[in-house]
Amino acid sequence: DAGVIQSPRHEVTEMGQEVTLRCKPISGHDYLFWYRQTMMRGLELLIYFNNNVPIDDSGMPEDRFSAKMPNASFSTLKIQPSEPRDSAVYFCASSLDGYGYTFGSGTRLTVV
Amino acid sequence: AQSVTQPDIHITVSEGASLELRCNYSYGATPYLFWYVQSPGQGLQLLLKYFSGDTLVQGIKGFEAEFKRSQSSFNLRKPSVHWSDAAEYFCAVGAGHDYKLSFGAGTTVTVRA
Repeated sequence: DAGVIQSPRHEVTEMGQEVTLRCKPISGHDYLFWYRQTMMRGLELLIYFNNNVPIDDSGMPEDRFSAKMPNASFSTLKIQPSEPRDSAVYFCASSLDGYGYTFGSGTRLTVV
Repeated sequence: AQSVTQPDIHITVSEGASLELRCNYSYGATPYLFWYVQSPGQGLQLLLKYFSGDTLVQGIKGFEAEFKRSQSSFNLRKPSVHWSDAAEYFCAVGAGHDYKLSFGAGTTVTVRA
């Protein structure tokens, strides 16, 4: 298996633009998680899905952030409009049983 | 809510020496505990996990961790480090009733020759 695949690896965008991050989980994994990593706040859970259904989105910072999982093999995290404080590394992880995540390599987002 | 403290921000160890990374958790019931390792520019890789049972847990890459309820700790150890062990290590705790993990701030390990 190729593991959890995230794209793009790096994204530089201007403030106010829409940003879409993509994730392909490991086949057969029923859980998908989006985390954000910053120096100041460390790793924060944004949202997670079970069987394509959002279970907990309490970590989504504000309405500018949205996440979807239209099918078992694809998820997106969208920021619209983006702001400089959204600059971070965004990780997607998937899991077979809910724990023991497998993380992707992350998307480094820079908003200028 | 559960939380994790990793008291050491940075540790330097000589190659071949032993390594111990500290982790203290806060949670009222029996926690689910994890150690992850992150190499530069990479995602996190699971080293080991504790759910219940034997309090000494063996993981990958020669790592082990011991759950001590009385001390609310889950320290990670390796008897002899290799240069490839240089990375950032994260302890994480889960509550068991959901699948949300709370991560510590991480400990960066530098290995000197």
